[in-house]
Amino acid sequence: AQSVTQLGSHVSVSEGALVLLRCNYSSSVPPYLFWYVQYPNQGLQLLLKYTSAATLVKGINGFEAEFKKSETSFHLTKPSAHMSDAAEYFCAVSKGGSQGNLIFGKGTKLSVKP
Amino acid sequence: EAEVAQSPRYKITEKSQAVAFWCDPISGHATLYWYRQILGQGPELLVQFQDESVVDDSQLPKDRFSAERLKGVDSTLKIQPAELGDSAMYLCASSEGRLDTQYFGPGTRLTVL
Repeated sequence: AQSVTQLGSHVSVSEGALVLLRCNYSSSVPPYLFWYVQYPNQGLQLLLKYTSAATLVKGINGFEAEFKKSETSFHLTKPSAHMSDAAEYFCAVSKGGSQGNLIFGKGTKLSVKP
Repeated sequence: EAEVAQSPRYKITEKSQAVAFWCDPISGHATLYWYRQILGQGPELLVQFQDESVVDDSQLPKDRFSAERLKGVDSTLKIQPAELGDSAMYLCASSEGRLDTQYFGPGTRLTVL
């Protein structure tokens, strides 16, 4: 069975600072991994996904994530936070070979201070 | 850019009433998902359709929830009767196929009083 743990329900950074949102996964088979962003009262937007190609994945809005099998991690980073990055971020896992049956983490709310 | 449409965006109802939510997926997408997102949690899958057939409804509370996708295009999720614990965001997503990226609609926020 797959599961995802997001460390830190709330992360606060200053504008221009590094953003690091942590995600660890558990999977009995090689996984596919995803990061989604959700703005207030809106649906989820795909930021990036790992589907067993390159371990360093670049997404939209300057975000990237690195798949580390040895650490069972898929942390999301952005070198310089912008005020518009304030939102909730969800890590999700699915069985390798399929982007269905997504299992989501509980989310991390990112605040960006001016 | 094509989007998943959902209506209504907001719904307030009283306990024991019936409610229904509608979803229109991106044109050509064969797979449709309904998720429930409780405040402060990630989305949880309720039901998955492949065309008009249900492929996974293991997490759907079937005593009160029902879902249909009669012509394999748009879909309706119904709750009857609604309970206080059903207050949540209901998200619809679609993908070209089961192996493909899911695209989410804006959701319906349900409040049960």
